Amino acid sequence: DQQVKQNSPSLSVQEGRISILNCDYTNSMFDYFLWYKKYPAEGPTFLISISSIKDKNEDGRFTVFLNKSAKHLSLHIVPSQPGDSAVYFCAATRRGTDKLIFGTGTRLQVFP
Amino acid sequence: GAVVSQHPSWVICKSGTSVKIECRSLDFQATTMFWYRQFPKQSLMLMATSNEGSKATYEQGVEKDKFLINHASLTLSTLTVTSAHPEDSSFYICSASSRNGYTFGSGTRLTVV
Repeated sequence: DQQVKQNSPSLSVQEGRISILNCDYTNSMFDYFLWYKKYPAEGPTFLISISSIKDKNEDGRFTVFLNKSAKHLSLHIVPSQPGDSAVYFCAATRRGTDKLIFGTGTRLQVFP
Repeated sequence: GAVVSQHPSWVICKSGTSVKIECRSLDFQATTMFWYRQFPKQSLMLMATSNEGSKATYEQGVEKDKFLINHASLTLSTLTVTSAHPEDSSFYICSASSRNGYTFGSGTRLTVV
């Protein structure tokens, strides 16, 4: 039962353009969402998060959008840089449980 | 910032032996520690949640007698894979929950031969 899904296993974007990574969830009890960047054989690195009381959060080149009615969130990276190439995971949790449920991941490749 | 030290980073063991993975929170107290495993090109699957001084809570389908979790102090949690088999080969990651949010260890690559 995959409660958090990332339907695109991979994404290729040219340097300088926008990268849009998508994530869908099924559990309406989730109220806090996070995006992580991960390299092989390393732990995830936190990028940005959003609470369900908001629909947008921005931090530098990273912006996360949340559409609660659609149970959908997206991560926008602009401008994309080659160093952004990694696997990106969205994660969701319900405050009070603290358990993070991860999506299936999207491999982003940013080419020059 | 908050740091979680996880070791070993990789280990190779023979089938039937046990392997212990440690996670230490270096500059904060981790009241809750989570253990994940990741198969190649797959998601991080939550295995169990441990709170200091109490028994771990395992996710459905995870054998508690095979994956022993100990959270004896606020800075140390261990995962022991008992009687390891090749199908236990995976990438194991711990994560600590604190006021700083979630802090992940660097992971342990376990290969059972």
